[in-house]
Amino acid sequence: GAVVSQHPSRVICKSGTSVKIECRSLDFQATTMFWYRQFPKQSLMLMATSNEGSKATYEQGVEKDKFLINHASLTLSTLTVTSAHPEDSSFYICSARDLTSGRDTGELFFGEGSRLTVL
Amino acid sequence: GQNIDQPTEMTATEGAIVQINCTYQTSGFNGLFWYQQHAGEAPTFLSYNVLDGLEEKGRFSSFLSRSKGYSYLLLKELQMKDSASYLCASMDSNYQLIWGAGTKLIIKP
Repeated sequence: GAVVSQHPSRVICKSGTSVKIECRSLDFQATTMFWYRQFPKQSLMLMATSNEGSKATYEQGVEKDKFLINHASLTLSTLTVTSAHPEDSSFYICSARDLTSGRDTGELFFGEGSRLTVL
Repeated sequence: GQNIDQPTEMTATEGAIVQINCTYQTSGFNGLFWYQQHAGEAPTFLSYNVLDGLEEKGRFSSFLSRSKGYSYLLLKELQMKDSASYLCASMDSNYQLIWGAGTKLIIKP
């Protein structure tokens, strides 16, 4: 199947700083990527849909200015958590579908996830 | 509204069989997914059903009944490594995945 790589896998930062998480599709082009957040013992919560070359679509309740998403190329989307606070500590996961002709099965391919801890 | 229901936790014995049920209500339907997620890791794909019936893949099988809004994941010959959360997700008419809260499966020796 397709491969999605996410970096960093773990990051610890001080309150008030910004953290950037990268999500790359390694063997396919992803015009759309999805960013999720998952708190302990809870399900995945879709934060935003990242669209290559245009603005991201944010889910209700997600602050656009706090969670900056940039999808500048067909293989890279970044999520920047600005002015992070302890309540932003969570597991952030990106995913994408391989829409290459003949290969789309509807499956979402996930990155490895990034665990953010804000002190 | 859109809703996915699955049990919070199940316990089973190594070598046995377990069935994890999922009921869904979504705006439109474009398929039902099951993912496995070990603690601290990203979900990994297990199965995708879009037509009624049973899909078998090794020790794992998934069943779908669209008329009942119901699916189950069947795990046979349970191994300790199967201890994980199992996420049910329905794809709606906008091709968005609606996720269940996950079923934590505990395997005992």
